[in-house]
Amino acid sequence: GQQLNQSPQSMFIQEGEDVSMNCTSSSIFNTWLWYKQDPGEGPVLLIALYKAGELTSNGRLTAQFGITRKDSFLNISASIPSDVGIYFCAGRGGGSQGNLIFGKGTKLSVKP
Amino acid sequence: DTAVSQTPKYLVTQMGNDKSIKCEQNLGHDTMYWYKQDSKKFLKIMFSYNNKELIINETVPNRFSPKSPDKAHLNLHINSLELGDSAVYFCASSHGDRGFRRETQYFGPGTRLLVL
Repeated sequence: GQQLNQSPQSMFIQEGEDVSMNCTSSSIFNTWLWYKQDPGEGPVLLIALYKAGELTSNGRLTAQFGITRKDSFLNISASIPSDVGIYFCAGRGGGSQGNLIFGKGTKLSVKP
Repeated sequence: DTAVSQTPKYLVTQMGNDKSIKCEQNLGHDTMYWYKQDSKKFLKIMFSYNNKELIINETVPNRFSPKSPDKAHLNLHINSLELGDSAVYFCASSHGDRGFRRETQYFGPGTRLLVL
């Protein structure tokens, strides 16, 4: 079946640094979504991407849908302590309706 | 004002018991989902319902049975609970129509199930 590889698994950075994480798929995806999960909460949608090559920003967050449709990245600029959490990519290819496949998450820690 | 809500937030129970988790969404969405998140934080879809009709049923033991009384509710009933069922269960919803909006799923806060 379709698989998503998300990297890195975890990151420890200093406040103010920029962060980059990415996901690659074994097959073509039609949609890429990026979620953030805070401890004890459900995933919250950050950015949704629907077209190959699309670059979308949400405040300090920027995400891109790769041209090959097999990858996506998320950048966070000038990180702050509240950026701490687990970031998940999720994608959907052809086939099952609404069946999102999630990456294994990138755990972000920010030192003040 | 909560968009997707779940009850209970925490559920501690003995092996062999039967339990239910409830989910409600007030977003007017047509499609609802149940996900399981294991101890390694891996999220996997279990079920998907569109307009009260089952459209996805991943490889899940038949001890798990979803029930959708109406479009706004999708409950999860679990029979004969086992230790391995301990996890966080998330409900989610999305628009059920064709097009891109269908892809965007909104999650509830989760139900933390611990089977002893």
